[in-house]
Amino acid sequence: SQQGEEDPQALSIQEGENATMNCSYKTSINNLQWYRQNSGRGLVHLILIRSNEREKHSGRLRVTLDTSKKSSSLLITASRAADTASYFCATAHLSGTYKYIFGTGTRLKVLA
Amino acid sequence: GAVVSQHPSWVICKSGTSVKIECRSLDFQATTMFWYRQFPKQSLMLMATSNEGSKATYEQGVEKDKFLINHASLTLSTLTVTSAHPEDSSFYICSAPRTGGNSPLHFGNGTRLTVT
Repeated sequence: SQQGEEDPQALSIQEGENATMNCSYKTSINNLQWYRQNSGRGLVHLILIRSNEREKHSGRLRVTLDTSKKSSSLLITASRAADTASYFCATAHLSGTYKYIFGTGTRLKVLA
Repeated sequence: GAVVSQHPSWVICKSGTSVKIECRSLDFQATTMFWYRQFPKQSLMLMATSNEGSKATYEQGVEKDKFLINHASLTLSTLTVTSAHPEDSSFYICSAPRTGGNSPLHFGNGTRLTVT
């Protein structure tokens, strides 16, 4: 399976704390993306980092990418209860056409 | 921003019947759409890539005669679960890249299918 792994599988923190999630993937990529999913809903795109980038910021989000280790991390700073959701990394692979493979996900719970 | 509309949001059907799920891109043209299946507390598993005007590309292990995909226009792809069985019960989600290639995906809100 090409599916990537994320850790931790679940994370519970207090409001105001930082949350860090890690993603590892198996094959070469063009870019890596992070998505958020609220329970029972579709996914929402958060941030995209290209294979030639090492770090990217968007508001309270910080993403790093290490292509030599085939890994990425998502940091959410100053977390809020509304950040409670599942977070997935996805890698874009060119196989004829592009397709997107999602990691196993991290379920984040932020306690108020 | 781009919106993908998926319908129905939930459906309950009897074993042996067929169910059609629609996925529409509302403000952009989608030559490619992706169909995923998600089990509770698990990740998304890519089922197939839907291509406008041509046959869908199915992932290994996905039965193309079971999960019929039609992408007849640049804004509509449909997934039909034929002769549904309880093991087909799942959350099905469609998505499309707004600008093609490897750009970010826009997702529908998913369809909860329950087969009794």
